[in-house]
Amino acid sequence: NAGVTQTPKFRVLKTGQSMTLLCAQDMNHEYMYWYRQDPGMGLRLIHYSVGEGTTAKGEVPDGYNVSRLKKQNFLLGLESAAPSQTSVYFCASSYPLYRGDTDTQYFGPGTRLTVL
Amino acid sequence: KQEVTQIPAALSVPEGENLVLNCSFTDSAIYNLQWFRQDPGKGLTSLLLIQSSQREQTSGRLNASLDKSSGRSTLYIAASQPGDSATYLCAVPSGGSNYKLTFGKGTLLTVNP
Repeated sequence: NAGVTQTPKFRVLKTGQSMTLLCAQDMNHEYMYWYRQDPGMGLRLIHYSVGEGTTAKGEVPDGYNVSRLKKQNFLLGLESAAPSQTSVYFCASSYPLYRGDTDTQYFGPGTRLTVL
Repeated sequence: KQEVTQIPAALSVPEGENLVLNCSFTDSAIYNLQWFRQDPGKGLTSLLLIQSSQREQTSGRLNASLDKSSGRSTLYIAASQPGDSATYLCAVPSGGSNYKLTFGKGTLLTVNP
């Protein structure tokens, strides 16, 4: 199993450009998450999904949109990138608690995004 | 709002030393607490997950304890090795959920040969 994979690994954008980050998991997890990690701020939840076709806002959702059209994929979109969105973005996935499985979150390797 | 604090922010120890990393949280109504490890430029790897009904969990040289009433957890690393050098993060579910995690800012551990 590949676990959680993220595409791309690095990206440089100009202010106002748009892009989509792709997260894929092959563990048949119901729940998926997008976090951003910034120096001095730690990891913060952007958006999450508790199942195919569902999404919800996390702690810092402004400027981002997400879609979960397929259970294994979770896309994070930036419609008009701003320098404040320069960060490292992590995707994660997990089973829901009612499955009786561990609710450990499994993380991808991250995407380093720079907005100039 | 749940807040998670980790002390110290950085720690440097000689190889072989036993050490303790601390994590505190403000809202004790949690389902569980997780400890993660993050190597430079990499994603997070789950080390230990303690359910709210448990007092501690062990994995190899790692032992994590949880005291919900006082809002504290510790990660004990025995006989530290240079390969243990990494950032250690603790996280608790917040917002009444068992899956929306709030993270501490981490402790950067350096184990010197």
